[in-house]
Amino acid sequence: EVQLVESGGGLVQPGRSLTLSCLASGFTFDDYAMHWVRQVPGKGPEWVSGISWKSGSKGYADSVKGRFTISRDNGKNSLYLQMNSLRPEDTAFYFCAKDAKRGYSYGYHFDSWGQGTLVTVSS
Amino acid sequence: DILMTQSPDSLAVSLGERATINCKSNQSVLYSYNNKNYLAWYQQKPGQPPKLLITWASARESGVPDRFSGSGSGTDFTLTINSLEAADVALYYCQQYHTFPPTFGPGTKMDLK
Repeated sequence: EVQLVESGGGLVQPGRSLTLSCLASGFTFDDYAMHWVRQVPGKGPEWVSGISWKSGSKGYADSVKGRFTISRDNGKNSLYLQMNSLRPEDTAFYFCAKDAKRGYSYGYHFDSWGQGTLVTVSS
Repeated sequence: DILMTQSPDSLAVSLGERATINCKSNQSVLYSYNNKNYLAWYQQKPGQPPKLLITWASARESGVPDRFSGSGSGTDFTLTINSLEAADVALYYCQQYHTFPPTFGPGTKMDLK
């Protein structure tokens, strides 16, 4: 059974940094691209960032480009999101999501999700 | 970015009845080279993450009841839930994965009448 467990969320002041982690199990982690998707309660999800299976390719939403950095450690079955210069509009639940397509390219649809971790940016 | 819209915003359906949710994209999500629509549907229950129901506009994921069906092509899509059950009360989202970045609709809230 696929399991994705996020951690690292919390309350942070505007302009500060936070790093999210996602520990994966139940599948061959380095066979899949992985993503971060965020959601403000009551709104549709928003794709934030994705990373290919061997980290050769990374993508970001315009809203976070230059501030967020995605990375992964296949030896530890872990995905990370370094978030710098946080803004109040970054407040959301952040989900780790597994790409539905196996292999080197992205499918950009998501067949397994973690339970999410809440990031609140407020002074 | 491709803009996804959904209608209605919410609907209430009686147990055993049919529910229909519409999704529109402002650009086609059909690739002519493989004749596939890059459109997915998700179900989200309170306090849970989204669950992938349908890909390629009409292909049910493993374990999804056949009461759920997807249809449409190009820019107009429909999720149909036949014989509604109490467990189907949820938010439903469409998502396009044709063009970077992937984008989601705003959601349709399904309640029981």
